[in-house]
Amino acid sequence: KNEVEQSPQNLTAQEGEFITINCSYSVGISALHWLQQHPGGGIVSLFMLSSGKKKHGRLIATINIQEKHSSLHITASHPRDSAVYICAVRHNNAGNMLTFGGGTRLMVKP
Amino acid sequence: DAGVTQSPTHLIKTRGQHVTLRCSPISGHKSVSWYQQVLGQGPQFIFQYYEKEERGRGNFPDRFSARQFPNYSSELNVNALLLGDSALYLCASSFMGAYTTFFGQGTRLTVV
Repeated sequence: KNEVEQSPQNLTAQEGEFITINCSYSVGISALHWLQQHPGGGIVSLFMLSSGKKKHGRLIATINIQEKHSSLHITASHPRDSAVYICAVRHNNAGNMLTFGGGTRLMVKP
Repeated sequence: DAGVTQSPTHLIKTRGQHVTLRCSPISGHKSVSWYQQVLGQGPQFIFQYYEKEERGRGNFPDRFSARQFPNYSSELNVNALLLGDSALYLCASSFMGAYTTFFGQGTRLTVV
């Protein structure tokens, strides 16, 4: 079993829909990242969480440390949100090493 | 300020050859990590360097090696290339002890 599991693997939504991507992990962590990757490969860091909830524009990220679960929400989705969203965790006492989930491929249709 | 820069952006090599990938971290960042991303999968950790010392190594064969220079830039070397080494190689930099990690655009390596 992978240390970081994401669901769903693929997601298609209509423009304007509310989107949720889930991430579960099985190890002790010091932080969790949500990342966005567009075709071509570049990765952009959206959020870094160690507890609670963060919001940036239409994006919201939450984490429940006790349940080892995090969610990324996109409100009022737009076709430009189409990308791969990746959850990554930083292990306790592991320096800056990240373990990544497999990613969720999101397509938002107009 | 420039972000994390990687070179080259694309590379085609034949089996058995050697390749060197380069990464320049954000100014002031002393930690550099390398990741391999095979098509359709999440990145996998290869190496982490801090202050020119290896601080972590993933489950990769000895054909993979890396080093960090006094200016904190880094090289990833892969010997005896295999078809399965075809992937996007990502470099990430951060302040050691802080959590914000910045990624480069990656080097797409194709082995034929």
